[in-house]
Amino acid sequence: GAVVSQHPSWVICKSGTSVKIECRSLDFQATTMFWYRQFPKQSLMLMATSNEGSKATYEQGVEKDKFLINHASLTLSTLTVTSAHPEDSSFYICSATDRVASYEQYFGPGTRLTVT
Amino acid sequence: QQQVKQSPQSLIVQKGGISIINCAYENTAFDYFPWYQQFPGKGPALLIAIRPDVSEKKEGRFTISFNKSAKQFSLHIMDSQPGDSATYFCAASIGGYALNFGKGTSLLVTP
Repeated sequence: GAVVSQHPSWVICKSGTSVKIECRSLDFQATTMFWYRQFPKQSLMLMATSNEGSKATYEQGVEKDKFLINHASLTLSTLTVTSAHPEDSSFYICSATDRVASYEQYFGPGTRLTVT
Repeated sequence: QQQVKQSPQSLIVQKGGISIINCAYENTAFDYFPWYQQFPGKGPALLIAIRPDVSEKKEGRFTISFNKSAKQFSLHIMDSQPGDSATYFCAASIGGYALNFGKGTSLLVTP
């Protein structure tokens, strides 16, 4: 299957600072990328959908000014958590798909964010 | 509102046995049904997927059975191994857009 990478794999930051997470599709062009959040022993919760060159579409209840998403190219999307607080601590996972070619969606390894 | 309902929440199977996980959906517009395997601290990995024009798909030890009229689909893991111990998620989407996930099934395969 296709490979999606995320960087960093884990990050610790202080409350009030911002953190940027990168998601890259390594061997295919991702027309659409998704960002999910997962709490321990729970399912994945969709945060937003981004298409290359377009503004992201956020799910209800997700603050777009807090979770900034940029999909600047067909292989890179970034999620910036601004003014992070302890309640933002979570496992953030991106996924990517080339919807033109298939419906298959491939996930990155995830980023563990801890806000102290 | 959970659009995809998954059961059981947890499952214990002996090595060599068959693991069966079930999912049900309501939205008949769904046209893509994947299953993912997730190990602790890792991202989900695509196992197998099916489209509604097919009633069954097999890849190695993994089989999806799909019942369009009942709006149900299931994952069968044949000859289950301890290495299969993980959390399994079913999902559904429309046109390859955002996945609607089930709540997950924690599978433990005992030696």
